[in-house]
Amino acid sequence: NAGVTQTPKFQVLKTGQSMTLQCAQDMNHNSMYWYRQDPGMGLRLIYYSASEGTTDKGEVPNGYNVSRLNKREFSLRLESAAPSQTSVYFCASSGWTGDSGANVLTFGAGSRLTVL
Amino acid sequence: AQTVTQSQPEMSVQEAETVTLSCTYDTSENNYYLFWYKQPPSRQMILVIRQEAYKQQNATENRFSVNFQKAAKSFSLKISDSQLGDTAMYFCAFMKLSWSSGDKLTFGTGTRLAVRP
Repeated sequence: NAGVTQTPKFQVLKTGQSMTLQCAQDMNHNSMYWYRQDPGMGLRLIYYSASEGTTDKGEVPNGYNVSRLNKREFSLRLESAAPSQTSVYFCASSGWTGDSGANVLTFGAGSRLTVL
Repeated sequence: AQTVTQSQPEMSVQEAETVTLSCTYDTSENNYYLFWYKQPPSRQMILVIRQEAYKQQNATENRFSVNFQKAAKSFSLKISDSQLGDTAMYFCAFMKLSWSSGDKLTFGTGTRLAVRP
């Protein structure tokens, strides 16, 4: 199984350009997430989708939009990129694991975005 | 809102020795989960260990164990017999138990661990 696949892995944009980060999971998970990672700040939640057909804002949603295209895919769009959006972006998914513990998030490999 | 604090930005340990990474959190919730994730230079986020708050017994996974003090809201990670491959950034994370709003994680700022040969 591939797990969580996100594309592209690297991208350089100019201020004002738009782009979409794609994410797909093959684990039949219900919930999907987008995080950003900045130096010294850990990972912060941008948007999440608890189930197919729903999306909600996380801690840092400004400047982003998301689409839960189907159960497998969850995309993140930057409509007008700004230098403050230079970051590493992680997609993740979670679902019932069959045991009594917490659902564990599985992360993609990350996408490094630079906005000039 | 929950907050997670990792007060040690960087740590270093000699190979084969033991190191403890600290984490404290603040929450008004009673049912929650705590995690430690490892991020090596490859950038991949790897689950190290998890703890359910309702369990008094500390979780253990091979060389990794936690000291969970619920009243003190403390969740430290102990790595025994440190190996060079343990060199990574370690993140502590909190998850509130929720049946309807997904499994959102709140992360600390991380501790960079270097294992010296």
